[in-house]
Amino acid sequence: GAGVSQSPRYKVAKRGQDVALRCDPISGHVSLFWYQQALGQGPEFLTYFQNEAQLDKSGLPSDRFFAERPEGSVSTLKIQRTQQEDSAVYLCAIPRRGTYNEQFFGPGTRLTVL
Amino acid sequence: GQQVMQIPQYQHVQEGEDFTTYCNSSTTLSNIQWYKQRPGGHPVFLIQLVKSGEVKKQKRLTFQFGEAKKNSSLHITATQTTDVGTYFCAGHSGGSNYKLTFGKGTLLTVNP
Repeated sequence: GAGVSQSPRYKVAKRGQDVALRCDPISGHVSLFWYQQALGQGPEFLTYFQNEAQLDKSGLPSDRFFAERPEGSVSTLKIQRTQQEDSAVYLCAIPRRGTYNEQFFGPGTRLTVL
Repeated sequence: GQQVMQIPQYQHVQEGEDFTTYCNSSTTLSNIQWYKQRPGGHPVFLIQLVKSGEVKKQKRLTFQFGEAKKNSSLHITATQTTDVGTYFCAGHSGGSNYKLTFGKGTLLTVNP
């Protein structure tokens, strides 16, 4: 998506491995969101950052999920001890400047846990 | 918590036929947004509706927001193969101005 890059685009992990997914938004965006999209479902909210502050992590499925944005730009979503149910596309999004609306999504990282 | 439901889950049409997808929320929405996701792609923002009863058009697409701000619809006139994809509605409830809740989407396929 315009203004947001994500890496890797695809990740295959063995059950129990740790993974780190990166989101790199266009510079200057205050707000940043992570979503999880399971196959055949809509995106589900995971967590929200305002600059480096993680203001809401209520959507993180378990304590194996951890997100950070230490300098208020690039964000990393880390999943420890991956499980098969973690298989999904992980999307990063930034809203239109000055609002929380009109979310611009990155291309996503497709995680497959074997 | 807030739930957003969409119907139908799937819709297959012949090119040139019309298509409608419906979105219903369990709570009153401050706004409703629509996104399109092509197969293998990421969601792309289409439009936002804010006012009760609002109707907006984008070429062959017509979006409506219900009077009670709990439902919405997207209607496509004379579908084309380029309309193929999954259409999601998403809304903010009054309790959160930043957390979007998405429906499960309607997958539209178009037979040329």
